[in-house]
Amino acid sequence: EPEVTQTPSHQVTQMGQEVILRCVPISNHLYFYWYRQILGQKVEFLVSFYNNEISEKSEIFDDQFSVERPDGSNFTLKIRSTKLEDSAMYFCASSDITGTNTGELFFGEGSRLTVL
Amino acid sequence: GEDVEQSLFLSVREGDSSVINCTYTDSSSTYLYWYKQEPGAGLQLLTYIFSNMDMKQDQRLTVLLNKKDKHLSLRIADTQTGDSAIYFCADRGSTLGRLYFGRGTQLTVWP
Repeated sequence: EPEVTQTPSHQVTQMGQEVILRCVPISNHLYFYWYRQILGQKVEFLVSFYNNEISEKSEIFDDQFSVERPDGSNFTLKIRSTKLEDSAMYFCASSDITGTNTGELFFGEGSRLTVL
Repeated sequence: GEDVEQSLFLSVREGDSSVINCTYTDSSSTYLYWYKQEPGAGLQLLTYIFSNMDMKQDQRLTVLLNKKDKHLSLRIADTQTGDSAIYFCADRGSTLGRLYFGRGTQLTVWP
């Protein structure tokens, strides 16, 4: 069964460092997303991406964050200068047009980011 | 913004029914969802209900929607130890693909 894969599964970084989280969405999906969950809190939407541009971003997704689809398979989230409060589990998701309408997003297993 | 709330923990004995409850605030919600997360895995869509429905049944799962009270529930019949997981209630915002999640309910099933 096709799945969304994310790397790394866990990354520890120092405050102020740049971090890139990588995702390989399901191959025929066209809509891509990043969500995050701070420990003990809700899963929060960060950004959606379609046709090589951001469709929507939340208030969390400030100038420190960027997304890119550098090739035909990867979808990345970059945090330019990490802060302690960026420590969270980051989930990548993808969907086709039907799933985007019905809410059937396919999520990866998550990348845990720890900022020290 | 949209707020989705659910209780954090539920413990049941194997074979009993589980009921996980959720409340939401957006009166214009069109779809509401239940996602499941097993240990070490991503979130998986279990089921969803369109807002013009009151109930949806899918094998052991029953979703009830009370739109007036903005209350959603997920009933799992004959709960098994393999159902132990975190269950997330979610609501679709105005933008396709943007979901608002609750904190998740940790369901523990005792043998």
